[in-house]
Amino acid sequence: DTEVTQTPKHLVMGMTNKKSLKCEQHMGHRAMYWYKQKAKKPPELMFVYSYEKLSINESVPSRFSPECPNSSLLNLHLHALQPEDSALYLCASSGGGSDTQYFGPGTRLTVL
Amino acid sequence: DAKTTQPPSMDCAEGRAANLPCNHSTISGNEYVYWYRQIHSQGPQYIIHGLKNNETNEMASLIITEDRKSSTLILPHATLRDTAVYYCIVRVPWVGKLIFGQGTELSVKP
Repeated sequence: DTEVTQTPKHLVMGMTNKKSLKCEQHMGHRAMYWYKQKAKKPPELMFVYSYEKLSINESVPSRFSPECPNSSLLNLHLHALQPEDSALYLCASSGGGSDTQYFGPGTRLTVL
Repeated sequence: DAKTTQPPSMDCAEGRAANLPCNHSTISGNEYVYWYRQIHSQGPQYIIHGLKNNETNEMASLIITEDRKSSTLILPHATLRDTAVYYCIVRVPWVGKLIFGQGTELSVKP
């Protein structure tokens, strides 16, 4: 089973709201990733967690705050977002002796 | 990570083989070729990867040229459900991150 789940599927928020995206995997993977994908563009890496520690931050603005509470769960906390942050947010994980990344279905975020 | 070049779009008739090319002329000896696809508004799906030998799995075959400067992903019997954007990515496992290029938009037509 190579399933990564993401909730919610869709999220609409105002610029003053605080919301969180959730990603979960039960494959025993120890690396987890957040990607952002704008319409008609390829995904771009935002953050990488390895063994629950942040290992890569691709110069993402501080209004995006990742958190890895345990090896199965990855959150992305959102605060004071801008309309241009509207995008598909993808989570991925890798591990179990393989470096292959497996993606979740994504959360479609709209910032009004 | 080496840069890849793919045609922006391709068409394929249903039931025929789809051959998707990828150029990676600056690939290094320790870089692998990975293929993912993304069906509209879904998460990317891993297809296959390889270093220098040809690889085959239940989804596709990957043919890498002897000089490793290009590769071809082959979907042997394309179906309408194979319509997607296909990404060719070159990276060093465990070190390089996934850097997606623009990909090839494959349309499988009845």
